[in-house]
Amino acid sequence: DTGVSQNPRHKITKRGQNVTFRCDPISEHNRLYWYRQTLGQGPEFLTYFQNEAQLEKSRLLSDRFSAERPKGSFSTLEIQRTEQGDSAMYLCASSPAGRTNEKLFFGSGTQLSVL
Amino acid sequence: GENVEQHPSTLSVQEGDSAVIKCTYSDSASNYFPWYKQELGKRPQLIIDIRSNVGEKKDQRIAVTLNKTAKHFSLHITETQPEDSAVYFCAASPPSSGTYKYIFGTGTRLKVLA
Repeated sequence: DTGVSQNPRHKITKRGQNVTFRCDPISEHNRLYWYRQTLGQGPEFLTYFQNEAQLEKSRLLSDRFSAERPKGSFSTLEIQRTEQGDSAMYLCASSPAGRTNEKLFFGSGTQLSVL
Repeated sequence: GENVEQHPSTLSVQEGDSAVIKCTYSDSASNYFPWYKQELGKRPQLIIDIRSNVGEKKDQRIAVTLNKTAKHFSLHITETQPEDSAVYFCAASPPSSGTYKYIFGTGTRLKVLA
């Protein structure tokens, strides 16, 4: 599968712990997005990278959240001091440069459960 | 900011019938409208999209219509099949930072009854 890859698929953690998720976009895609999806809702935008630059962050992304894309390839999303309200599916998506850059290709997500 | 409303939240149809899902958006500057299908436990997959300079687009059994004046767009699935059962999300993309930041609707759970 040469699509967007996310690891781990599932993460269970205790409140207060830190967690980190990884996203590997489609190799030729220079744009990478993080979304959060809770049960029964559509995905909500969190942040966006073009190459290694983080160009936009949502108000949803509190100071406990940090995302990086150090070499413009894979990205990590870290949540510090997790809270039960952080429980959600975290989706990564990528899009190509150029004419079809509006099309987002999603990964299968990381399901986070905070106990 | 942009807000997208989607209706209905659940939809049951008999196999072979048509299904229609409707979305409205608030930001008249939005210029791209994709539809995603998400099966249980799987990734959202793009099934069809439309740009603001087009009124209708078809792809086999799936079509999308856009009314810019009324700021609403709809997904039409004809000759529904059991494998069409899934959650469908619409999205609108307002111009933002030179990229396409989707604002999603809340989803429609479609159930096709055999």
